Amino acid sequence: QKEVEQDPGPLSVPEGAIVSLNCTYSNSAFQYFMWYRQYSRKGPELLMYTYSSGNKEDGRFTAQVDKSSKYISLFIRDSQPSDSATYLCAMSLIYGNKLVFGAGTILRVKS
Amino acid sequence: KAGVTQTPRYLIKTRGQQVTLSCSPISGHRSVSWYQQTPGQGLQFLFEYFSETQRNKGNFPGRFSGRQFSNSRSEMNVSTLELGDSALYLCASSLGPKTEGEQYFGPGTRLTVT
Repeated sequence: QKEVEQDPGPLSVPEGAIVSLNCTYSNSAFQYFMWYRQYSRKGPELLMYTYSSGNKEDGRFTAQVDKSSKYISLFIRDSQPSDSATYLCAMSLIYGNKLVFGAGTILRVKS
Repeated sequence: KAGVTQTPRYLIKTRGQQVTLSCSPISGHRSVSWYQQTPGQGLQFLFEYFSETQRNKGNFPGRFSGRQFSNSRSEMNVSTLELGDSALYLCASSLGPKTEGEQYFGPGTRLTVT
């Protein structure tokens, strides 16, 4: 079993839909939680960064961390075709620099 | 502010050869990490350098090595290339300890081993 589980999709939604992306993990020591977006042939781009449990909102994006359930989510409101990309969750130990990634979810937003 | 740069962007090598990849971090960033991305295994951590010292290492064979220079630029080397080493190699930089959660990635070097 992988340390971080993420459904690879693809997830196909119509423009304007609310998108929910999720990851589960097994290591309760993880403290830092991140979401990256990766376009084809590009490096991952940091979208959201959360320390420990709670919610964080940035524009159309909301990240949620539930450490008791070992479950993190990314919500995208009013999705746009430009949001079509692979979304990677990542996490690390406190004061650690080694990121552990999920497999990535391919998102397609249709206009 | 310039982002993380990696050179070369594309590389084709033959099995058994060795290769060196280069990474220049964001100005002011002193920590550099390397990752391998493949369709089957996803993104996997290779190693991390800070102040010219390797601080963390992933589960890769000794054929994979790296170093960091005094200006924080980093190189990684893969010796005796195997077909399975074909991947996108990504470099990420961050400010350093205690701010390590935020890593910024470069565009990657796509290595093809034939």
